[in-house]
Formats: sequence, structure tokens, C-alpha cells
Amino acid sequence: KAGVTQTPRYLIKTRGQQVTLSCSPISGHRSVSWYQQTPGQGLQFLFEYFSETQRNKGNFPGRFSGRQFSNSRSEMNVSTLELGDSALYLCASSLRTGTDSPLHFGNGTRLTVT
Amino acid sequence: DQQVKQNSPSLSVQEGRISILNCDYTNSMFDYFLWYKKYPAEGPTFLISISSIKDKNEDGRFTVFLNKSAKHLSLHIVPSQPGDSAVYFCAAGGGSYIPTFGRGTSLIVHP
Repeated sequence: KAGVTQTPRYLIKTRGQQVTLSCSPISGHRSVSWYQQTPGQGLQFLFEYFSETQRNKGNFPGRFSGRQFSNSRSEMNVSTLELGDSALYLCASSLRTGTDSPLHFGNGTRLTVT
Repeated sequence: DQQVKQNSPSLSVQEGRISILNCDYTNSMFDYFLWYKKYPAEGPTFLISISSIKDKNEDGRFTVFLNKSAKHLSLHIVPSQPGDSAVYFCAAGGGSYIPTFGRGTSLIVHP
């Protein structure tokens, strides 16, 4: 079974631009979550989608948004990029929502904002 | 305010010895806990979990212990192998809570 696929792997953008990251979950997984990882900050929760509906949202500004499609694929968008948005963005899928359904992570998209 | 804390950023252990990684949480409503392992340039992978109704869960060389009264859990790896060298994340949640991750502990196992 194919794992979680994130594209692109690396991205370099300029301040003020916007970016869209893509995530294809494991087949059959309906829950998709997004996390931001920065040095020393661990994994910060961005949002979770289940059946095309946003179920939870983390403490990030409105510049960060996402969506999920009917095939469970998900996209994350960041508008008006800031230098502090440079991070590894991880997508994870799971069979269902809930902490007791372990997350399966992709290898992430490394975003660098200059 | 961090709800899940891994106070040791790094740990160095000799091959064959025990590795003990610690994690503390503050929210008494958390009732499910997981450990993930992350290699460089890869996403985290699920390692082992424990529900609050248990105080121990074992899977091969990996054992997780939960002390609810102290709001503390630990991951024991016995025996440690060089391939275990990675960053280990503790996560806690349950109920309506989304998984909250600690900042990770980098484990280095020396041959």
C-alpha cells in the first residue's frame, strides 16, 4: 500500500508570495492533518480534515488555509508568506479522527521563504 | 504553554544498553499517548501507544510506561541499536483533543 505522498518536496518562495502544498493520503484513509515543524518547536498542529470538512484548527493566522477533496486528497495554502513561515510542513493521514488512530506521515515539504 | 514536554533535547547511549526517553504532560484530560520516531529527511513514523487504562505496553524491544498520577510517560528501548538513532516525539490527546506533540528528543546510539 502506498504511503502518504507530499508534493513538492522542496520549495523556495519570496516574502509576500503565496504557496500551495499537496498531500495524497493512504488509500482508505479519510482523515488528513497538517503540521508545521520548525527547529526547537516540535510539531505544531495546523488543521485536520475529515470527509472534506475541517474538524479542527490550530493556533495559526488566517493566512494558513486548507481543504480536502472528495478523494481525500488535501491541499494547504499559505498566503502573503513571511520569513517565519520557513519550515517543514508535514501531512498525515489516518483511518479516522481521534488520537487513538495513529497518524501516518508523509516525508514533508520543506518551504524556504527568502 | 506547552502541554506536552520532552525536557531532554538529546540522549546518548551505548549499543546494547537501555535507552529511556521521558515525556511529561499537563492536561489531565489526555487519555491516549503515542510515540513516533523520525529519521532525517523522512516524516515521523508511529512506534507504540498506550491508553490511560493501562500503565504499560510492550512491543518487542519497545515498552511505554504511563504514570497517570505524575502525568509522565517514558519509552524504554532494550537493547538499543545504532538503527534506533533518530528523533523521538511523544504525543498526547484523546476525546476531543487533537494529538499534541512534544518538541522531540534526539537519541544517538553509539556502536
